[in-house]
Amino acid sequence: DIVMTQSPDSLAVSLGERATINCKSSQSVLYSSNNKNYLAWYQQTPGQPPKLLIYWASTRASGVPDRFSGSGSGTDFTLTISSLQAEDVAVYYCQQYYTTLQTFGQGTKVEIK
Amino acid sequence: QVQVVQSGAEVKKPGASVKVSCKASGYTFTSYYIHWVRQAPGQGLEWMGIINPSDGSTTYAEKFQGRVTMTRDTSTSTVYMELSSLRSEDTAVYYCARRGADSSAFEYWGQGTLVTVSA
Repeated sequence: DIVMTQSPDSLAVSLGERATINCKSSQSVLYSSNNKNYLAWYQQTPGQPPKLLIYWASTRASGVPDRFSGSGSGTDFTLTISSLQAEDVAVYYCQQYYTTLQTFGQGTKVEIK
Repeated sequence: QVQVVQSGAEVKKPGASVKVSCKASGYTFTSYYIHWVRQAPGQGLEWMGIINPSDGSTTYAEKFQGRVTMTRDTSTSTVYMELSSLRSEDTAVYYCARRGADSSAFEYWGQGTLVTVSA
């Protein structure tokens, strides 16, 4: 199984400041035939299902604000919130969908400092 | 619009089974696989398996092999996930999810079904 490891486990950021979350996979999730990284990011608030933010490592899902961006390739990925808003307080998960047995990172809790 | 709506919360005793449903609407049911993901209280997301609604074929995570069964009913556009031999560690919110049109990431999620296993 591909193991996804996020860092940090939690972070506190001031409103309007940048938040950065890292995700590392135990093997590459870059599919060479189409040059796509099979990596997604989700946001989850309490009592809600996860919400898709980013897929193909860097493509924003429909309706997602442009302060959210994804980057990286191969085994190392980053989710950046460029200017943290109060409504961004949540737990964020990365996920690989490179293999049928899809796996998630352990989650990163983002709070307001 | 695409919707996946799950059945309501369940309380079960250890050793029992639970069957959770996921009803799809707003798209051609047989065109998209359905995944099941669970989340224990205060914990992360755990992928359980996948079903192809077109032919009923399934793939399960090794951890759940022998205890989980995923089925579908094409007449009602509903997918089912049954978990047997329940233990307290199975207490969790169970989600069904479907990929989006542009990737295999999970764009559509059910609202979740809380399954509580308690004596």
